[in-house]
Amino acid sequence: GNSVTQMEGPVTLSEEAFLTINCTYTATGYPSLFWYVQYPGEGLQLLLKATKADDKGSNKGFEATYRKETTSFHLEKGSVQVSDSAVYFCALETSGSRLTFGEGTQLTVNP
Amino acid sequence: DTAVSQTPKYLVTQMGNDKSIKCEQNLGHDTMYWYKQDSKKFLKIMFSYNNKELIINETVPNRFSPKSPDKAHLNLHINSLELGDSAVYFCASSQTAFWGYTFGSGTRLTVV
Repeated sequence: GNSVTQMEGPVTLSEEAFLTINCTYTATGYPSLFWYVQYPGEGLQLLLKATKADDKGSNKGFEATYRKETTSFHLEKGSVQVSDSAVYFCALETSGSRLTFGEGTQLTVNP
Repeated sequence: DTAVSQTPKYLVTQMGNDKSIKCEQNLGHDTMYWYKQDSKKFLKIMFSYNNKELIINETVPNRFSPKSPDKAHLNLHINSLELGDSAVYFCASSQTAFWGYTFGSGTRLTVV
């Protein structure tokens, strides 16, 4: 079946450090891929998405590229800020209008 | 204007009680969802409705019953609450999963 695997957290970085959160998926066909962010005490917000192979999604300095050959959609940011501290979820679209989420990765950025 | 609103935000109740959580969306989306997030942040889909029709019904105890009076509302009723029901419950809506979901801010349910 379809599934998403994220790198385990928590991840702790200093401000201005480079961020990578790994995400790999298993799916039939070519699903759309997403990153969601959950700030403390809030619901999930769509951060970025990509709908086909080699597409790059980007938003707020975050980027992720849909890699069919490695079935990956890793999230990157060149210089993180304290305000980026949150839980990040990778997700893929499966049939029946369903999103399947990864386990979530807690990111803490220290000043 | 809140796009997906849930009430209440917090709910503390005793074991064995019956409670409801309400959700409303003003985005004109056709599909609505209930997700459960456990203490480790893991998200699990519970139900999905498309235009008032149930389309996803995961392995959830019968004590949980969704109701969609119209496509803008999806309520969740829980009977005979148990300690293990304690979690954050999120409502979401979408036009299609292709475009992603819009989530509510969650209802933190604590069963004591």
